[in-house]
Amino acid sequence: LAKTTQPISMDSYEGQEVNITCSHNNIATNDYITWYQQFPSQGPRFIIQGYKTKVTNEVASLFIPADRKSSTLSLPRVSLSDTAVYYCLVGVNYGQNFVFGPGTRLSVLP
Amino acid sequence: GAVVSQHPSWVICKSGTSVKIECRSLDFQATTMFWYRQFPKQSLMLMATSNEGSKATYEQGVEKDKFLINHASLTLSTLTVTSAHPEDSSFYICSASTDSQSLHTEAFFGQGTRLTVV
Repeated sequence: LAKTTQPISMDSYEGQEVNITCSHNNIATNDYITWYQQFPSQGPRFIIQGYKTKVTNEVASLFIPADRKSSTLSLPRVSLSDTAVYYCLVGVNYGQNFVFGPGTRLSVLP
Repeated sequence: GAVVSQHPSWVICKSGTSVKIECRSLDFQATTMFWYRQFPKQSLMLMATSNEGSKATYEQGVEKDKFLINHASLTLSTLTVTSAHPEDSSFYICSASTDSQSLHTEAFFGQGTRLTVV
């Protein structure tokens, strides 16, 4: 499984755009990139998934460069409720387990 | 999205007793289920992977006789913490994956179970 590296923590203010970058230098050809959000005492929640270029949904955007060795989760206009830990996972194929790294603890300040 | 329900949400038990946690996929068939443990301010740590009808595969360092996993149907997996001790107090989370023909499979997570052993 491709190992991922993310910043341990980030601070932001309400209304700002937040970009969290994940490095995955050993990503395999068939691997997808998936981001999860976790609030305290809750299970992780799926945010977005992509393979290449850009993916956008109602919650976030995911930017993946051509070499796919990194990806950036973009949260537009964050609010206090976006304070959570964000995990980047790579290699979510059927039958594989989901190995979580330390994640990025995002704190949104008023 | 698909729903995974975990029960109970929290449990307090006495040291030496056993506790069973259930994980159900409510609207899909989960060929594979995963059990994680998470200590405060730490990431999720995979404990075991189970496929319906077969024995679970445990990660290194996880005692299979202490953490009994049963995946008897495509919608239910259970984790039993046997002879619980205070150091087993943690947040336990299950997830379930669908049998997908595509290359990627989204995992759906339960809400977690807070176990406190006193």
